Amino acid sequence: SAVISQKPSRDICQRGTSLTIQCQVDSQVTMMFWYRQQPGQSLTLIATANQGSEATYESGFVIDKFPISRPNLTFSTLTVSNMSPEDSSIYLCSVGEPRVGYTFGSGTRLTVV
Amino acid sequence: GNSVTQMEGPVTLSEEAFLTINCTYTATGYPSLFWYVQYPGEGLQLLLKATKADDKGSNKGFEATYRKETTSFHLEKGSVQVSDSAVYFCALSESNNDMRFGAGTRLTVKP
Repeated sequence: SAVISQKPSRDICQRGTSLTIQCQVDSQVTMMFWYRQQPGQSLTLIATANQGSEATYESGFVIDKFPISRPNLTFSTLTVSNMSPEDSSIYLCSVGEPRVGYTFGSGTRLTVV
Repeated sequence: GNSVTQMEGPVTLSEEAFLTINCTYTATGYPSLFWYVQYPGEGLQLLLKATKADDKGSNKGFEATYRKETTSFHLEKGSVQVSDSAVYFCALSESNNDMRFGAGTRLTVKP
């Protein structure tokens, strides 16, 4: 299965600033998925990123707040913009086929102060 | 829509105890079912899966059987170890872009 390198692993940011999270995959993949895991809770899908097209966002998530880039088949970034304390979460990228199973990055633990 | 309901935790067991974590699902068709595990400070790892009714997924001593009649996929292990302490997520996928996760169950195994 694919190996994902995600960084940063954690960060503490000031409110109003932005943070860009990177995910590098060791093989070419069609779809990459970005999830948010709020403290003590399950995973919520933010968006699906396909190379060469705009990301598809889930209800409650908008491109202005969570812009995503997918410049090639091995790389994607998620930016958390204009952060507030409510954005404090773990952010995870993943790849795979939904009916087969996903591989996840190690996550980015974000704290907004 | 599709959803997963998972046994609430936390669950605390002694080493070598028997583990069951309940998971039931709601789906319109025939989903694939998964258990993922998240060790402290890490991302999720796929533990096991089953793609059709009556399939049994197994890995590292854990197993779960896809029960269509009861819409369930309970996770079991006969003898847990301290190293099994983690958060376990049940999940399902029915379409090409939709993996739904349960709330997660935190397991702590004491020596």
